[in-house]
Amino acid sequence: AQTVTQSQPEMSVQEAETVTLSCTYDTSESDYYLFWYKQPPSRQMILVIRQEAYKQQNATENRFSVNFQKAAKSFSLKISDSQLGDAAMYFCAWLNNNDMRFGAGTRLTVKP
Amino acid sequence: DVKVTQSSRYLVKRTGEKVFLECVQDMDHENMFWYRQDPGLGLRLIYFSYDVKMKEKGDIPEGYSVSREKKERFSLILESASTNQTSMYLCASSFGLAGETQYFGPGTRLLVL
Repeated sequence: AQTVTQSQPEMSVQEAETVTLSCTYDTSESDYYLFWYKQPPSRQMILVIRQEAYKQQNATENRFSVNFQKAAKSFSLKISDSQLGDAAMYFCAWLNNNDMRFGAGTRLTVKP
Repeated sequence: DVKVTQSSRYLVKRTGEKVFLECVQDMDHENMFWYRQDPGLGLRLIYFSYDVKMKEKGDIPEGYSVSREKKERFSLILESASTNQTSMYLCASSFGLAGETQYFGPGTRLLVL
């Protein structure tokens, strides 16, 4: 079975600094998609970034970028110039067909 | 913008009650999903539907059923609520193509007493 592991239950970062959230996954599939979702306190879960496994180039979205290492089955999220609004639970997810697997989440605190 | 709405943000029910959670999406998505979110466990799939009247069991279907009579609406039913079903329930939807992003509703926090 596919599993997604987020080894950091909690992380904190100083405002304007950079933080990296870790994610590893286990799969025998060669074709899949990876996602980072953000869930602010008491608010809706929203997509942060998406990566197709067949693409070698790492996805970026403004201050958010990923380091996708397919052979190592690693998919970390880097947040640059952290802002107070980045404080949230972050979930890493793996998708193949309609089978989506989520990690347990990392709670990110941003210190002013 | 995709909009996924859920009928209640907070719900309190008693053990043994029948509970209905409703989800509506406005983007004509083929796929709809019900997840349960618990601390330290992430999100676990209860059921999903890839078309009207079609449904597939997820990882934890026991104690739940679903209904999809219209494309935009997907209901989760707890036939006889139990305290171990106290949780946050998230609905999501996506287009039917491979790798499509799932869009989530705001969640329903259910407390079963």
